[in-house]
Amino acid sequence: EPEVTQTPSHQVTQMGQEVILRCVPISNHLYFYWYRQILGQKVEFLVSFYNNEISEKSEIFDDQFSVERPDGSNFTLKIRSTKLEDSAMYFCASSGGLPETQYFGPGTRLLVL
Amino acid sequence: SQQGEEDPQALSIQEGENATMNCSYKTSINNLQWYRQNSGRGLVHLILIRSNEREKHSGRLRVTLDTSKKSSSLLITASRAADTASYFCATDYDQGAQKLVFGQGTRLTINP
Repeated sequence: EPEVTQTPSHQVTQMGQEVILRCVPISNHLYFYWYRQILGQKVEFLVSFYNNEISEKSEIFDDQFSVERPDGSNFTLKIRSTKLEDSAMYFCASSGGLPETQYFGPGTRLLVL
Repeated sequence: SQQGEEDPQALSIQEGENATMNCSYKTSINNLQWYRQNSGRGLVHLILIRSNEREKHSGRLRVTLDTSKKSSSLLITASRAADTASYFCATDYDQGAQKLVFGQGTRLTINP
């Protein structure tokens, strides 16, 4: 069964460093998303991406964040200068259309020290 | 603002019993989805119910949607220890809107 994959599963970084989180969405899906979940809190929407551009973003998704689909399969989230409060589980998701089920990857646990 | 809220926040039952979790939201929705999350793991999609549907079944899962009350319920019948997890409802609203808004979740524990 097709699934969304994410790498790495865990990442530890120093405050101020750049991190890139990688995702491979389901191959025939057209819509891609990033969400995050701070420990013990709700899953929060960050950004959606369609047709090679951002279609919607939340207040969390400030200038420190960027997304890219560098090739036909990968979808990345970059945090330019990490802060302590960026520590969270980051989930990638994809869907085949609107409105359709969003399928989530296993997540990348990011710890900023 | 649009928000899904589950209750109860935590539920502990014996294996074999049925578990019911509820979700309420504040504005009109397009769809409502239920997800399961095992501790520290990814989100597994369980079921999607559209705003024009009232009930859906999938295996031991039964989801209802009452748009007049802006609420949904997830029923797991004949619970198993493997059903122990957190369960979240997620709503999307407005035609064409893409983001899912998640509730705080219900932590379900099935005791053997």
